[in-house]
Amino acid sequence: AQSVTQLDSHVSVSEGTPVLLRCNYSSSYSPSLFWYVQHPNKGLQLLLKYTSAATLVKGINGFEAEFKKSETSFHLTKPSAHMSDAAEYFCVVSDLSGGGADGLTFGKGTHLIIQP
Amino acid sequence: EAGVAQSPRYKIIEKRQSVAFWCNPISGHATLYWYQQILGQGPKLLIQFQNNGVVDDSQLPKDRFSAERLKGVDSTLKIQPAKLEDSAVYLCASSLEWGGSETQYFGPGTRLLVL
Repeated sequence: AQSVTQLDSHVSVSEGTPVLLRCNYSSSYSPSLFWYVQHPNKGLQLLLKYTSAATLVKGINGFEAEFKKSETSFHLTKPSAHMSDAAEYFCVVSDLSGGGADGLTFGKGTHLIIQP
Repeated sequence: EAGVAQSPRYKIIEKRQSVAFWCNPISGHATLYWYQQILGQGPKLLIQFQNNGVVDDSQLPKDRFSAERLKGVDSTLKIQPAKLEDSAVYLCASSLEWGGSETQYFGPGTRLLVL
């Protein structure tokens, strides 16, 4: 069984300061990990994904995440927040067992607030 | 390329009524998923299709929910009869192939309100 825990339901940062959204996962197999962003009244958009290649993954809009197996973490970071980053962020896991469905398991989401 | 299309975008019905949602995946995508996203929560997988076959429907409430993808392209999700707790956004996603590392592309969703 796989699961995801997003450690903060809300994160508030000032524009121009770093962003850190925390995620821990649990998976029985080698996981694929994703971060998706959801802007109000818009569809989910993939920010980045990890699939057992490089542990530091770069995504769109300046976001990146580091896979740390020893800590079972996949935290999302950005050096400098922009007002347009305000949205809901989901950490997502999918295991690579291949033995069954590969539907994604989503965390509960972190609401990112950008203060001017 | 065109993204995942869903319709309608919004639907309001009364409890015990029926409703149907439609999804057209990205052209050439073999795998199609339906998710339910209740307000304040992450999406939850309801059913996964590979072409026109069901891969997983273990979380689909089969007493009231049904889904089909008859020709392996577009899909419909039906609720009959609807309950208040079915109020949610229903998301359709597709991926090129079946596999845990495949990127899933999401449609804009259908927002359902059951009164």
